[in-house]
Amino acid sequence: SQTIHQWPATLVQPVGSPLSLECTVEGTSNPNLYWYRQAAGRGLQLLFYSVGIGQISSEVPQNLSASRPQDRQFILSSKKLLLSDSGFYLCAWSADRGRGYTFGSGTRLTVV
Amino acid sequence: GESVGLHLPTLSVQEGDNSIINCAYSNSASDYFIWYKQESGKGPQFIIDIRSNMDKRQGQRVTVLLNKTVKHLSLQIAATQPGDSAVYFCAEIGSGYALNFGKGTSLLVTP
Repeated sequence: SQTIHQWPATLVQPVGSPLSLECTVEGTSNPNLYWYRQAAGRGLQLLFYSVGIGQISSEVPQNLSASRPQDRQFILSSKKLLLSDSGFYLCAWSADRGRGYTFGSGTRLTVV
Repeated sequence: GESVGLHLPTLSVQEGDNSIINCAYSNSASDYFIWYKQESGKGPQFIIDIRSNMDKRQGQRVTVLLNKTVKHLSLQIAATQPGDSAVYFCAEIGSGYALNFGKGTSLLVTP
């Protein structure tokens, strides 16, 4: 069966520090991968998605970037965090467009 | 741009009653819809999905209804239990690959 892993679960980082969140999927190949951010009490905002290695689509211009160095690995990064980057970051995968979308357990990021 | 929205931000129901959570969408090109349940501090959990060529789909204690004419989606939960308390999101896919989410409805089940 397929599983999705996200880490760390929680993270507290100072303003101006770098960020690296990792997401991996097991049990499938060539998944579509997604990064979402959720502000407190709000819906999910799509940040990036990837349909293949090295293919990244950005939905919202901001202080973040994404990379997909391997088929089942998706990384969310920042060179210098801002206070406004705080939130709940969720990775998700799907087998194809319109075929299931499974979320990871999320990373709670607090920028101080 | 196109958006997905929820009619009610909160819904309180008594244990054992049926719950109905509604969602409106605006993109007439949307062809796939999912309902998610999210408990505090956790990632969204898939409940049920439906494609635009269907108007009803049933799962265990849940039913999703899709009315494409008025662009309306609903989630019905039968015999609501305390464990159903959570935030429920509808999401849709229009022309892209990724899901677009509504703001969510908080369901509170009271004894």
